[in-house]
Amino acid sequence: DQQVKQNSPSLSVQEGRISILNCDYTNSMFDYFLWYKKYPAEGPTFLISISSIKDKNEDGRFTVFLNKSAKHLSLHIVPSQPGDSAVYFCAAINLSSGTYKYIFGTGTRLKVLA
Amino acid sequence: DSGVTQTPKHLITATGQRVTLRCSPRSGDLSVYWYQQSLDQGLQFLIHYYNGEERAKGNILERFSAQQFPDLHSELNLSSLELGDSALYFCASSKLGELFFGEGSRLTVL
Repeated sequence: DQQVKQNSPSLSVQEGRISILNCDYTNSMFDYFLWYKKYPAEGPTFLISISSIKDKNEDGRFTVFLNKSAKHLSLHIVPSQPGDSAVYFCAAINLSSGTYKYIFGTGTRLKVLA
Repeated sequence: DSGVTQTPKHLITATGQRVTLRCSPRSGDLSVYWYQQSLDQGLQFLIHYYNGEERAKGNILERFSAQQFPDLHSELNLSSLELGDSALYFCASSKLGELFFGEGSRLTVL
């Protein structure tokens, strides 16, 4: 049972344009969501997060939007840069449960074209 | 550099063998998580330890076991290895809701 889904395995975007990466989840108990970026031969690195009490969180070029009714979150990167080319994972957790079980999606490979 | 150290970085072994992967969390972090990433797959949660105690279990096979020692480092033991166990194994430690990952141990089972 895949509780966190990233239905687009890959995405190509022109440099300078907006990249939108999507993530859907099924467990309504998730209350904290994170995005991670992964380059080849490296571990995933934290990018941005959002609590379920918010619907938007912004950090520089990165903005995460949360739509709880649709159980959907998205990561916007504006403007996209070639260095953003990586695999992006969304993750979700039920922090209030105390079990601290982070569930990850399968990832979306973003390619930013120069 | 996340501060999480994993050894070995690469490991090649044969089916039926047993290996141990080691993880040292960031200084001060009490939690250690283990994840498996198979080819073109997402990060599959295996197990979580907090201050030496198992806190949560994911899709971890019975052939796999883990522990966290008093100095907070953790080991993931994989036994009776099968071809399908070939994967990247990541360890992560956490603080304030954020996971910090090591660079992973790539296991190849031939």
